[in-house]
Amino acid sequence: EAGVTQSPTHLIKTRGQQATLRCSPISGHTSVYWYQQALGLGLQFLLWYDEGEERNRGNFPPRFSGRQFPNYSSELNVNALELEDSALYLCASTRLTRRRETQYFGPGTRLLVL
Amino acid sequence: AQRVTQPEKLLSVFKGAPVELKCNYSYSGSPELFWYVQYSRQRLQLLLRHISRESIKGFTADLNKGETSFHLKKPFAQEEDSAMYYCALLETSGSRLTFGEGTQLTVNP
Repeated sequence: EAGVTQSPTHLIKTRGQQATLRCSPISGHTSVYWYQQALGLGLQFLLWYDEGEERNRGNFPPRFSGRQFPNYSSELNVNALELEDSALYLCASTRLTRRRETQYFGPGTRLLVL
Repeated sequence: AQRVTQPEKLLSVFKGAPVELKCNYSYSGSPELFWYVQYSRQRLQLLLRHISRESIKGFTADLNKGETSFHLKKPFAQEEDSAMYYCALLETSGSRLTFGEGTQLTVNP
């Protein structure tokens, strides 16, 4: 079974630009989660998508947004990039959130904002 | 708000010695707790979750609701156990995971 995949692996942007990160969940998984792992701040929850809808978001500004497509893959968009957005962005997926399933993680996209 | 605390950022033991990675939590609901591990240059992967009560790679963890702890233990550490370990709490609604800051375990030969 293929795991969660993310693209690109690395992304370099300049301040003020927009970044788009992509995630494909494990086949059969309908929920996608995004987390930010910034240096010194640990892993922080960003967004949760389930069945194409945003279900929950963490304590991040609105310039962090995303969507989930009919095939359950997801995009994370970060607008007006700031230097502190430099981090590893992890995507995770689960099968049935109502049963509090285990979240399986992708390898991450490392975003560097210059 | 939920919170997970891992008091040790770094932990170093010798091969064959027992190891305990501490995790404390605060949560008003019924906690669902996990240990994730990240080996060098690998993705974050599940080590164990408390409801399954399994022993994975010799590791065990017991949920102590009285002490609000979920410490990870292994009686005899191996060099291949060297990794970053994260304790995490899943909200009742089944959405977000709240992670501790992680403990970097080094097992010396």
